[in-house]
Amino acid sequence: AQKVTQAQTEISVVEKEDVTLDCVYETRDTTYYLFWYKQPPSGELVFLIRRNSFDEQNEISGRYSWNFQKSTSSFNFTITASQVVDSAVYFCALSEVNTGTASKLTFGTGTRLQVTL
Amino acid sequence: EAGVVQSPRYKIIEKKQPVAFWCNPISGHNTLYWYRQNLGQGPELLIRYENEEAVDDSQLPKDRFSAERLKGVDSTLKIQPAELGDSAVYLCASSAIGQGISPLHFGNGTRLTVT
Repeated sequence: AQKVTQAQTEISVVEKEDVTLDCVYETRDTTYYLFWYKQPPSGELVFLIRRNSFDEQNEISGRYSWNFQKSTSSFNFTITASQVVDSAVYFCALSEVNTGTASKLTFGTGTRLQVTL
Repeated sequence: EAGVVQSPRYKIIEKKQPVAFWCNPISGHNTLYWYRQNLGQGPELLIRYENEEAVDDSQLPKDRFSAERLKGVDSTLKIQPAELGDSAVYLCASSAIGQGISPLHFGNGTRLTVT
C-alpha cells in the first residue's frame, strides 16, 4: 500500500524566512510520481510540481525548490524568502502508474504554513 | 482556459436527506475524479472516470453514494441518504491524456455539512 507522511502539522514563520516542508513516502512500486499541491483558504488545490521516480534532480522555480532523495524516500519542499501569500496548506502526494496516463493520488495529511509580517 | 467548475459551493442538509454535487471538468480532459476531503486531512479518491467509464470506484461507499458521467463530460455525485459522517469537502478534478502522468486540476470543491 502507498503512504505519504507529512509529519509537520503546522509551521509558522516570519516573512522572509526560509522554510522547508517535509514529505516521506512509502511504495513498493519502482515507477511512481510525486506531486506537491498548495491549498489556499479558497479551497482549490493548486498544482505546484510533478516529479517521476527516475528523475532525482533537484528543481528550482523562483522561490520554490524541491529536493527528491530516493534513498530516504523523501521529497521535501523549500520556500525561500517566504511571503504572506505563501500561507496555505501544502500537500505532498504519490501517484501509482497503472494506466500510463491517469493518476491515482495518495495524499499526505498536509502541512499548514502560516507566514506573518 | 477555464478551470474545473463545481456547484454548489456550500450545502447544508439534514441527515437522511439526499444531496447532489455537479462538476464540469476542463474542456478536453477525458479523466475525471471525485475526491473527499475531511477536515484536517488530505483528499481521498472516491471514483475515477475515463470518459464515461468508471474505472476505479473501489473507495466509493456504494450503499449510499452514486456517480455518473453522461457523455463523458459533466459529472454528478449523489449521496442518498446523507449521514453525519458525510460532512466534508467534495472535490472534483480532471486530467488530460498526455505524455506520462498528467497533473490533476482541481475545482474549488463543495463543502457539505450534514446536521
